[in-house]
Amino acid sequence: GAVVSQHPSWVICKSGTSVKIECRSLDFQATTMFWYRQFPKQSLMLMATSNEGSKATYEQGVEKDKFLINHASLTLSTLTVTSAHPEDSSFYICSARGEGGNQPQHFGDGTRLSIL
Amino acid sequence: GENVEQHPSTLSVQEGDSAVIKCTYSDSASNYFPWYKQELGKGPQLIIDIRSNVGEKKDQRIAVTLNKTAKHFSLHITETQPEDSAVYFCAASIRELVFGQGTRLTINP
Repeated sequence: GAVVSQHPSWVICKSGTSVKIECRSLDFQATTMFWYRQFPKQSLMLMATSNEGSKATYEQGVEKDKFLINHASLTLSTLTVTSAHPEDSSFYICSARGEGGNQPQHFGDGTRLSIL
Repeated sequence: GENVEQHPSTLSVQEGDSAVIKCTYSDSASNYFPWYKQELGKGPQLIIDIRSNVGEKKDQRIAVTLNKTAKHFSLHITETQPEDSAVYFCAASIRELVFGQGTRLTINP
């Protein structure tokens, strides 16, 4: 149980395009979803937290107009990187947590984004 | 806010030996401590977790210990196997997870 599916796993696109990444909880209802960014050989950096039906809460230094997050249902959250540039190239990972206090967070397999 | 320090950053052990990874946290209010294993090109996978009302938890070859007074917790892997090679992250949480820097574990055949 507790499977989180992230799609696509790999994206290569030109500078200036927008890219949407989907995160789905397959077998549980995700009250809260998280989006992380990970640079090579580094730890995970939390970008934003979203609760179903509410606006996302962004971490300091993360541009909310650059990284659009939608959490429209209890099983789906999307991250859209708008007008992507080479410096946005990274490994993006979503995570989902079910209802109730201190439920475990389960992670997707990440999306490697390469902007040319 | 919470700060989590993880050591060592790299660890190499012989197959069959034990591996220990240690983490310290700063916020005494943290009450949930998961450990994740991340293989190359994949997302972190939860392998074991412990809550603040428990001092030790074991799952087959993996165990975690928590010392709330000293604010540190450790991951113990016994009888290591090549497939245990990966990057391991500890985390501490009140509401959101705060991750350690990661430990690259290599099991030498």
